[in-house]
Amino acid sequence: GDSVTQMEGPVTLSEEAFLTINCTYTATGYPSLFWYVQYPGEGLQLLLKATKADDKGSNKGFEATYRKETTSFHLEKGSVQVSDSAVYFCALSDRGDKLIFGTGTRLQVFP
Amino acid sequence: DGGITQSPKYLFRKEGQNVTLSCEQNLNHDAMYWYRQDPGQGLRLIYYSQIVNDFQKGDIAEGYSVSREKKESFPLTVTSAQKNPTAFYLCASNGGGSYNEQFFGPGTRLTVL
Repeated sequence: GDSVTQMEGPVTLSEEAFLTINCTYTATGYPSLFWYVQYPGEGLQLLLKATKADDKGSNKGFEATYRKETTSFHLEKGSVQVSDSAVYFCALSDRGDKLIFGTGTRLQVFP
Repeated sequence: DGGITQSPKYLFRKEGQNVTLSCEQNLNHDAMYWYRQDPGQGLRLIYYSQIVNDFQKGDIAEGYSVSREKKESFPLTVTSAQKNPTAFYLCASNGGGSYNEQFFGPGTRLTVL
């Protein structure tokens, strides 16, 4: 079945460092791909999305490119801030009715 | 403002008691979902509903029940049959369209004593 694999955390960075969180997927069709962010004690918020190969999703300085050849959707940010500390979830939607989530990656940014 | 509300934010119950978690949305979305989140794990789908008066089991439906009598409401009951109910529960809705984007509520943390 469809699945999403994320790198394990926590990812610990200093402020202004470059961030990459790896995400790869397995799907039988052509899924839409998402990154969600969860701040402590809160629900999930959509960070960015992409619906077809080579699409780049971007928001708040975060970017991810839909790479069909490597089945990947890695999240990147050029300069992280302390306020970016959160858990990040990669997800896919293949059949249009359900989302399949990765296990989440905790990011900790220190001043 | 449109959105999803879940209540209460924190809930404590004794073992063996049923408990109902509320989820309401004013986004006019047809589809609604319940997820369970445990530490170090991703979100696992409990139940979902694509239209009023209809719902389907997700991956971990045992010990849970739902109803969908109104478009804006999708309550989840955690029954005494659920072996390990302590978790963070998230409700979401989806208005359809090509992106299948889900919008999440703030969650309810259930602790069974």
